[in-house]
Amino acid sequence: EADIYQTPRYLVIGTGKKITLECSQTMGHDKMYWYQQDPGMELHLIHYSYGVNSTEKGDLSSESTVSRIRTEHFPLTLESARPSHTSQYLCASIGRVVDTQYFGPGTRLTVL
Amino acid sequence: AQTVTQSQPEMSVQEAETVTLSCTYDTSESDYYLFWYKQPPSRQMILVIRQEAYKQQNATENRFSVNFQKAAKSFSLKISDSQLGDAAMYFCAYREQGGSEKLVFGKGTKLTVNP
Repeated sequence: EADIYQTPRYLVIGTGKKITLECSQTMGHDKMYWYQQDPGMELHLIHYSYGVNSTEKGDLSSESTVSRIRTEHFPLTLESARPSHTSQYLCASIGRVVDTQYFGPGTRLTVL
Repeated sequence: AQTVTQSQPEMSVQEAETVTLSCTYDTSESDYYLFWYKQPPSRQMILVIRQEAYKQQNATENRFSVNFQKAAKSFSLKISDSQLGDAAMYFCAYREQGGSEKLVFGKGTKLTVNP
């Protein structure tokens, strides 16, 4: 089982707040991903990274930003949260040897 | 762009019976991967089974098996001897070979297992 962690698991905040969703993995995986999932719906890729200092936008446009300063850490930031950002955010990573994406438990964000 | 279609929003099965979940996809690539992921309510997304497109043999993992029809671009999941713990959302996903290796997901099938 892969070790990929996300904090917080649940977050309820007010409009206009800045938030950072944390994602970390202990497997040394180079590629990491952020997916957005509305309840009962499919996942959409919003950001990904090939490795340190590499970040790319995904298929779904998002107002969030990401950074990759360390291999194990891939945080997602919303500078000013809005109700439209209410969703679940899933982090994933993939290694070179076992080339399957493993997912974190997700952060369920509610913006009031 | 690649697309994945799951035409069954919901399915139900009796405990101990067999159920098949459908998935079709569209791609112009010849080398790729296909996956079935399971997402139980409020729980983590986990891999059920994977299939490499270059392999003709269908993948099997215990009670889970796939029927991979490359020419038809079809990738169905069969769950045998269904158990209550199999109840979840099941997502079919496509992944390109190389590059970003991002996953493209279908809309999911909600599976209910009746005792």
